[in-house]
Amino acid sequence: QKEVEQNSGPLSVPEGAIASLNCTYSDRGSQSFFWYRQYSGKSPELIMFIYSNGDKEDGRFTAQLNKASQYVSLLIRDSQPSDSATYLCALSGDSSYKLIFGSGTRLLVRP
Amino acid sequence: DAGVIQSPRHEVTEMGQEVTLRCKPISGHDYLFWYRQTMMRGLELLIYFNNNVPIDDSGMPEDRFSAKMPNASFSTLKIQPSEPRDSAVYFCASSLDPGLGETQYFGPGTRLLVL
Repeated sequence: QKEVEQNSGPLSVPEGAIASLNCTYSDRGSQSFFWYRQYSGKSPELIMFIYSNGDKEDGRFTAQLNKASQYVSLLIRDSQPSDSATYLCALSGDSSYKLIFGSGTRLLVRP
Repeated sequence: DAGVIQSPRHEVTEMGQEVTLRCKPISGHDYLFWYRQTMMRGLELLIYFNNNVPIDDSGMPEDRFSAKMPNASFSTLKIQPSEPRDSAVYFCASSLDPGLGETQYFGPGTRLLVL
C-alpha cells in the first residue's frame, strides 16, 4: 500500500461548483499535511497546509483533516477553469521535513 | 526575488554520460530539497540540506546519484553514469523553515531525457 493515496481522476466539475479532492494516508505518525497545485509542465505550488483536526479555510479553499480516519481533503468553492490542474497531497512526519507526495488528482473545471 | 533557479531547463544525453543539474535557492532560505518526478513514481524527495549539510539522503536511488551544496547559494545533483530510467523532471526547492509551515518554493525543474 502506498503511503499517500489519491484518486488519479480526472475529476470533472462545472464552473461554479464545489470540487472535492480526497487523500488517505497510512502512517498514523504523520503530523503535517499539504496540498500543492501543479499545472501541466509547471512546478508544484503550495495551496494550503494543515496540522490540526478540523477545517482550515483560505479564500475559496478549505482543507479538512481527520487523523482518526487518516484522510485529508481539499474543497474548492466556486471552481474556475483556471483551477484545472493536478492537485498533490503531501505529508510529513514529526521529526523530518521530508515530504511524501501522493500521485495527484487531476481536476478539470468545465466552463 | 527571482525565485529558485535551475539549470539547465532541458537536458538530453546518452546513456553512460555524466549529468549535472544545478540549483540556486532563494536567498536566505536555509533548506534545499531535490525531487524527482515521473509518471510511474510521482514526486519523490531525493535529498535535502539544511545550512549546506545533507540531512536526509534516503531517497537517493543509488550510488550513481550524488548531491552537493558547497555554499548557501548553490547546489548540484550529479548522475554518473546516467541510464534511461533516470529520465524524469528534477525539481529543486528551497524553504525558510519547513518546520514552521513555511512553504517549499519549487524551481521550474530540469527535464532530463537519457537515451
